[in-house]
Amino acid sequence: AQTVTQSQPEMSVQEAETVTLSCTYDTSESNYYLFWYKQPPSRQMILVIRQEAYKQQNATENRFSVNFQKAAKSFSLKISDSQLGDTAMYFCAFLDSGAGSYQLTFGKGTKLSVIP
Amino acid sequence: DTAVSQTPKYLVTQMGNDKSIKCEQNLGHDTMYWYKQDSKKFLKIMFSYNNKELIINETVPNRFSPKSPDKAHLNLHINSLELGDSAVYFCASMRGGQEKLFFGSGTQLSVL
Repeated sequence: AQTVTQSQPEMSVQEAETVTLSCTYDTSESNYYLFWYKQPPSRQMILVIRQEAYKQQNATENRFSVNFQKAAKSFSLKISDSQLGDTAMYFCAFLDSGAGSYQLTFGKGTKLSVIP
Repeated sequence: DTAVSQTPKYLVTQMGNDKSIKCEQNLGHDTMYWYKQDSKKFLKIMFSYNNKELIINETVPNRFSPKSPDKAHLNLHINSLELGDSAVYFCASMRGGQEKLFFGSGTQLSVL
């Protein structure tokens, strides 16, 4: 079974600064997908960024980028120019696309606070 | 138009009651899920349906019964509600080949 570990339960960052959230995972699969989801106080689950394991190039979405280290099974999220609206829970997630199960496994989350 | 919609958004009920949560997606996706988020914010999969067929059924009490009348709907019925069932329940959907889940806004269930 796949596991996803987020070792930072809480983090804080000053507005306009950069912060990196850590995520490691364990799997024996070679074909999979990794995600970061954001959950603000509104409770909505918002997809921030997605990485395909077979792509070496790190995914980027505006101020959000990842550092994907496949051999180390590491998938960290970097938020640049942090904004107050980035305050939220951030979940790292792993999708096993093999055997047609398409099961998404989540880490326990990191609560990020952006300080004015 | 909301892509994945759940109703109700909030549900407050007494122990022992039976309740249902409805989920509909208008994205044309063929796989739908139910996730439970506990008080510590941990998200765990409960069920997954693909083309109305059950493909994932995690260790969930049999008081929980999913029903998929068609590809666009996946409802969750809960019998004999217990205090420990209090949580936020999320519906989600995905199209095979896209590998990207879209979530509903969640249903906060409070059992008194």
